[in-house]
Amino acid sequence: AQTVTQSQPEMSVQEAETVTLSCTYDTSESDYYLFWYKQPPSRQMILVIRQEAYKQQNATENRFSVNFQKAAKSFSLKISDSQLGDAAMYFCAYITTSGSRLTFGEGTQLTVNP
Amino acid sequence: KAGVTQTPRYLIKTRGQQVTLSCSPISGHRSVSWYQQTPGQGLQFLFEYFSETQRNKGNFPGRFSGRQFSNSRSEMNVSTLELGDSALYLCASSTGLAGVTDTQYFGPGTRLTVL
Repeated sequence: AQTVTQSQPEMSVQEAETVTLSCTYDTSESDYYLFWYKQPPSRQMILVIRQEAYKQQNATENRFSVNFQKAAKSFSLKISDSQLGDAAMYFCAYITTSGSRLTFGEGTQLTVNP
Repeated sequence: KAGVTQTPRYLIKTRGQQVTLSCSPISGHRSVSWYQQTPGQGLQFLFEYFSETQRNKGNFPGRFSGRQFSNSRSEMNVSTLELGDSALYLCASSTGLAGVTDTQYFGPGTRLTVL
C-alpha cells in the first residue's frame, strides 16, 4: 500500500524568508503524481503545486518549488519569500496514474511570523 | 470557471439520524471524489464516482454511500449516524478523462457534527 509521511508536524518561518517542508512516500508504482495542498483556517483545500513522476524537472509555481528525488522517494516543498498568507496546514499527497484516490500525509502546520 | 461547491457548509445531527451531502464539480469535470477529514485519522478516501458509476471505494462501512447524477453532481449519504462520523467532508473533482483521475480540486467542505 502507498504511504505518505510528513515528519514535521509544525514549522515556523519569518516573513520574507525561505522554508522547506519535507515529504517522503512509499510506492511500488513507477508512474504517479505528487501534490502539495494547503489548508488555511477556512479549511478550503487549495492546490499549491503538482509534479508528474515521469518528469525529471522540478515543478515551480511562483514562490513555490519542489525538490523531487524519485529514487529516494522524496518530495519537499520550498516556499521562498514567505508571506503571512502562507500560514496554513500543508499536505503532501500521492496518486497513481491508474488510481482515483489521493493518499495524504499527516500534514505540516506552517506558521509565518511577522 | 466556478469552483467546486458543497452544500450545506455546516450540519448538526443527532445519533441515529441520516444525512445527505451534496457536491457540484467544476464545469466539465466528470470525476467526483469524497474524503473524510478528522483530527485523529487525517484525510481518508471515501469513494469516487465517474460517469454515474462508483469507480473506487475506501474502507468505510456500508452506512456510507454515494451516487452521481448525469450532470456530474454527486451526493453522499450517511445513515444511522454515530458520534465518530463527526468530521469535515471534502468533495473533489477532476476531469477524469480516459479513466484517469489526475489533479483533484477541492470544495470548501461540509462540517458535520453528530450529537
